[in-house]
Amino acid sequence: KAGVTQTPRYLIKTRGQQVTLSCSPISGHRSVSWYQQTPGQGLQFLFEYFSETQRNKGNFPGRFSGRQFSNSRSEMNVSTLELGDSALYLCASSLWGGQSSYNEQFFGPGTRLTVL
Amino acid sequence: QKEVEQNSGPLSVPEGAIASLNCTYSDRGSQSFFWYRQYSGKSPELIMSIYSNGDKEDGRFTAQLNKASQYVSLLIRDSQPSDSATYLCAGRGYQKVTFGTGTKLQVIP
Repeated sequence: KAGVTQTPRYLIKTRGQQVTLSCSPISGHRSVSWYQQTPGQGLQFLFEYFSETQRNKGNFPGRFSGRQFSNSRSEMNVSTLELGDSALYLCASSLWGGQSSYNEQFFGPGTRLTVL
Repeated sequence: QKEVEQNSGPLSVPEGAIASLNCTYSDRGSQSFFWYRQYSGKSPELIMSIYSNGDKEDGRFTAQLNKASQYVSLLIRDSQPSDSATYLCAGRGYQKVTFGTGTKLQVIP
């Protein structure tokens, strides 16, 4: 079974631009979560989608948004990029979303975003 | 107080020894816990999940959970240089999965 895929793998943008990242979950998985990873803050939860609905959201500004499609693929968008948005953006897929305890998450390779 | 806390390390152990990685959490509503291994420049890889109090063994790895003490640990037996990585502890609460900042493990040949 193919793993989680993310595109693109690397991005370089300048301040003020916007960016869209894509994630395809493991076949059969219906939940996608997004995380931002930086050396200083570690893995920070952005949002979780299940059945095309955002179920949970982390403490990030409204510039960060996402969506999920009917085939469970997900995109996240960051508008008006700031230098501090430079990070590794990770997508994780799981069978179910929300409160299910038995809900292992599997990560994609990530998208490395650099904002200049 | 961070929701999931880990000692950042580095934790250095000789090859063949047991590495012990520890994690505490503050959310008593957390139901399930996970250990991920992350090599430098790579994404986290799930190595263990644990949901009930007690021990869970998988090969050289043993995860331990004590919900009363809000404590999770990972033991790696017969540590190998290839085990050198950052180990992330995570807990799933009501709203989300929260990760610790990770413990860097160095296995010395």
